[in-house]
Formats: sequence, structure tokens, C-alpha cells
Amino acid sequence: GQNIDQPTEMTATEGAIVQINCTYQTSGFNGLFWYQQHAGEAPTFLSYNVLDGLEEKGRFSSFLSRSKGYSYLLLKELQMKDSASYLCAALIYNQGGKLIFGQGTELSVKP
Amino acid sequence: SAVISQKPSRDICQRGTSLTIQCQVDSQVTMMFWYRQQPGQSLTLIATANQGSEATYESGFVIDKFPISRPNLTFSTLTVSNMSPEDSSIYLCSVEEAGNQETQYFGPGTRLLVL
Repeated sequence: GQNIDQPTEMTATEGAIVQINCTYQTSGFNGLFWYQQHAGEAPTFLSYNVLDGLEEKGRFSSFLSRSKGYSYLLLKELQMKDSASYLCAALIYNQGGKLIFGQGTELSVKP
Repeated sequence: SAVISQKPSRDICQRGTSLTIQCQVDSQVTMMFWYRQQPGQSLTLIATANQGSEATYESGFVIDKFPISRPNLTFSTLTVSNMSPEDSSIYLCSVEEAGNQETQYFGPGTRLLVL
């Protein structure tokens, strides 16, 4: 079956760095998305990794290892507004693409 | 990026009734999807809306309960039929732009409460 795992919740301090891990076991894997979702809002796109390695976008970076079935999202210089749910999703291509989501990681940033 | 709108943004419905949710995109897209997000949960794919043919449903979702239409490349509807309180969720439309699997964007969602 398809399985995506990430921690349920994390807490970090404003200004710090936090790493949110995601492991996956899927068939037809094509790439890995990270989304940010604030309470009551739709998910917003953060990153998409299809090749191994680290991709940096400002304060946010995302890493993928296809051989290990592992990804992480790195958030630097945390701000209070980064408090949100972070969703890891595997793009599966079997007769068309679809996203399989992890349960989401609720990140709380404290002053 | 594609701009996606959904109508209604929220609704409160009585059990046994049906609600049709609309998803409109401002550009032609190859793939359109419907997701459900139950309270406190992550997103679960309901079905892929195929243009000109029947939708492809995921395990646990059936056409009689969630009929879907996609008459063209910019519009789709999802109907939640014979609703029960367990159908109270956020329903989200997402799209993949033509030839670019890196772009999977979500609409603002429809918040449904069934009494």
C-alpha cells in the first residue's frame, strides 16, 4: 500500500531552525511536495522535489532521497507566522498523477 | 500560476440533501482533482475529474455518493449526495497545469457542515 509518515506536531522557538521529516513507501513515486496550511485555509505550495538533493528557496529548503524514501523540510529564521500545519505529499503516477498526503505536522513557533 | 475559485465557500446543509460544489480555473489544465479534509485530518483524494469521461474514484469513494462532472478543461463540479453529518468536511479542488507536474495548486476549499 501507499504510506506517508511525518511527526504529528513540533514546537520551535522564534529565530531558530526546524527540520520536519517525512518518510514514504509508495509505488509509482514521481516526486515529493511540501505544502503549508494555516488553520481554516487551503494548502499553499512550498516546494516540489523530483531529484535527490537539497533545494533552497529563501528561508525554506527541501531535501529528497529517493533511495531512502525520505524527505525533509527545513525552515530557517523561524517567525511566528510560520506556525501552521506542514503537509508532505507524494506524487504518484499510475495512469495519471495524484497526491498521497501524510497526516501533516502541526508546527508551533513560540516567542 | 493558475487561479482557482470554488463555490460555495461554505454551507450548512440538512442531512439527506445534496450539495454541488463548483471549481473554476482561469486557464486550461490537464488534471483536476477533488480532495476531502475532515476535521483535524490531512487531505484524502476522492477522485480525478476526467474531461469528457467518467471520473476515476479512489478506494472508499463511489460515484453514487460523489458524482463528478468535468465538461471542459477549466470547470468541474463535485456533488455530495444524501448527506450525513459524517460528510462535514472541507472539500478542495486542485489542478495540475498542462505539461507541468510540478504545479499542483489548490482552490480555497468549500467548508461543509451537515446537521
